[in-house]
Amino acid sequence: EVQLVESGGGLVQPGGSLRLSCAASGFTVSSNYMSWVRQAPGKGLEWVSVIYSGGSTYYADSVKGRFTISRDNSKNTLYLQMNSLRAEDTAVYYCARAGPAAPRSFDYWGQGTLVTVSS
Amino acid sequence: QSALTQPASVSGSPGQSITISCTGTSSDVGGYNYVSWYQQHPGKAPKLMIYEVSNRPSGVPDRFSGSKSGNTASLTISGLQAEDEADYYCSSYTSSSTHYVFGTGTKVTVL
Repeated sequence: EVQLVESGGGLVQPGGSLRLSCAASGFTVSSNYMSWVRQAPGKGLEWVSVIYSGGSTYYADSVKGRFTISRDNSKNTLYLQMNSLRAEDTAVYYCARAGPAAPRSFDYWGQGTLVTVSS
Repeated sequence: QSALTQPASVSGSPGQSITISCTGTSSDVGGYNYVSWYQQHPGKAPKLMIYEVSNRPSGVPDRFSGSKSGNTASLTISGLQAEDEADYYCSSYTSSSTHYVFGTGTKVTVL
């Protein structure tokens, strides 16, 4: 069974850093496209970042230069390193898998982890 | 990369059909058959309902269907049911450097 479990969210001050983790089971992270998607309180979904199976990475303009997506193949885990955090980064962060049958769609999602940026 | 445009809300009575539009550009919706639709109930993670414009994942009722014409994609829910009340988001692959974009979201209300 495919499962994605995020962790690492919490309260952080503006300018601070946080690393989110997404532990996967039931499939191999490195063989799939994996993304982070966020949702600010009461707002819509915003795509954040993707890491392709070949290792290429891409970012939304709003986080480029501040966030870094990576994976640990030995732990089958996806990460999002978030630096220089701003109040507008406050959101629930979801990791999502782009399924092998439809690599431009997100077929499995984690439960989300809340990041709050506030002093 | 701007978000794809969706109506803020759509409503219908049980048994009726409703359609949600998703308007983009030739760089995203119009340029690729990579439009997806997601359903999100309050406090829950999104669920994939349609992929590649018109394909339904296993387990999604055939009341849900997708289509595309030019730069606008559509999700139709036929035979509306109470459990269909949720937020719906479209997404598309885009040729911009960001690669993915979501729609603004539509709240579906079952009257």
